[in-house]
Amino acid sequence: KQEVTQIPAALSVPEGENLVLNCSFTDSAIYNLQWFRQDPGKGLTSLLLIQSSQREQTSGRLNASLDKSSGRSTLYIAASQPGDSATYLCAVHNQGGKLIFGQGTELSVKP
Amino acid sequence: DAGITQSPRHKVTETGTPVTLRCHQTENHRYMYWYRQDPGHGLRLIHYSYGVKDTDKGEVSDGYSVSRSKTEDFLLTLESATSSQTSVYFCAISPPGPSGDTQYFGPGTRLTVL
Repeated sequence: KQEVTQIPAALSVPEGENLVLNCSFTDSAIYNLQWFRQDPGKGLTSLLLIQSSQREQTSGRLNASLDKSSGRSTLYIAASQPGDSATYLCAVHNQGGKLIFGQGTELSVKP
Repeated sequence: DAGITQSPRHKVTETGTPVTLRCHQTENHRYMYWYRQDPGHGLRLIHYSYGVKDTDKGEVSDGYSVSRSKTEDFLLTLESATSSQTSVYFCAISPPGPSGDTQYFGPGTRLTVL
């Protein structure tokens, strides 16, 4: 059974720092991996989708990498801002597009 | 924003009553999903649909049923609500592609069962 783990559960950094969020999964037979952002009381916003054949994807200050063989993905956020404060979720795509989620990393960026 | 709406956005009900949540999309996507989000468990798949009248169970389907009579609507029904079904429910949609594509989520429905 696929399990997805995100470490750390919570992270607090000063504004301007570069940071890395980690996601690991137990079964390397995934289709894709998707990173989301969730603000308190809100829905999920898709940040990046990495297809299984890709190694990384970039969008603005965000860069996500994928290493299927080791069962790991990282989300790199450059020059963090207070507006980046949110919970970040990773999810792996199984067959049929079914997502298996990690429990998220709650990020706080202090001014 | 993807064209997904959920109704109602908030609902309080009593144990034993039936409840139906609605997900509506304007994207004409084939795949639709229902998830629930709970502290300590994260998001878990309840049911999903890969076309009109085509549905299947997810990880936590007990106590829930779904229906999809039109492409744009996916209904989640709790036949007899229990307190353990107090949760935030999210609907998601995805373009065609059984191997997985970007999923877009609705705003959520907060359900409280007393």
